[in-house]
Amino acid sequence: AQSVTQLDSHVSVSEGTPVLLRCNYSSSYSPSLFWYVQHPNKGLQLLLKYTSAATLVKGINGFEAEFKKSETSFHLTKPSAHMSDAAEYFCVVSVKGSSNTGKLIFGQGTTLQVKP
Amino acid sequence: SAVISQKPSRDICQRGTSLTIQCQVDSQVTMMFWYRQQPGQSLTLIATANQGSEATYESGFVIDKFPISRPNLTFSTLTVSNMSPEDSSIYLCSVGLLSGNTIYFGEGSWLTVV
Repeated sequence: AQSVTQLDSHVSVSEGTPVLLRCNYSSSYSPSLFWYVQHPNKGLQLLLKYTSAATLVKGINGFEAEFKKSETSFHLTKPSAHMSDAAEYFCVVSVKGSSNTGKLIFGQGTTLQVKP
Repeated sequence: SAVISQKPSRDICQRGTSLTIQCQVDSQVTMMFWYRQQPGQSLTLIATANQGSEATYESGFVIDKFPISRPNLTFSTLTVSNMSPEDSSIYLCSVGLLSGNTIYFGEGSWLTVV
């Protein structure tokens, strides 16, 4: 069975400093992995996705994530935090079904706080 | 990509009543799902909405409480029946496209049961 574990429930950084949100996954086969962001009182927005192509995935708003099979990790990074990055971030794994697009299993989320 | 519209976006409901949430997609999609996000929590899959047949429910969710319809490839409804305050949540519709291996989410329906 697939699962994801977000290692930090809350991360606080200063504006202009790097961001690291950690995620480990468990999957019996090659997973599809995603990062979604949810701003307060807003819907979910896809930041980036990994689908067995390049292991370093670049997303929107300067975010990127690296798939490391040996470490079963898919950490999200950004070189320089902006105030607008303050939000809830979800690491997500896709459950393979009868089609290529399956159900999603969400991590518990990491709240990113950005201090001025 | 896909654009998903959910209605209502927000509602305040009396306990014991039922509310139907609609999800409309601007293109034909293969997979449609309903998720719940309780206050301060992550998202949990309720069910897969199957076109022309009964939905497939996840453990802990039953058809009597969350009846789902999907009459065609672009539309689905989720009903939250006999609501209690514990049903106060965001309910999200999501769709999957065969191309691109991406799941898209609607803006969510924010329900408060009083």
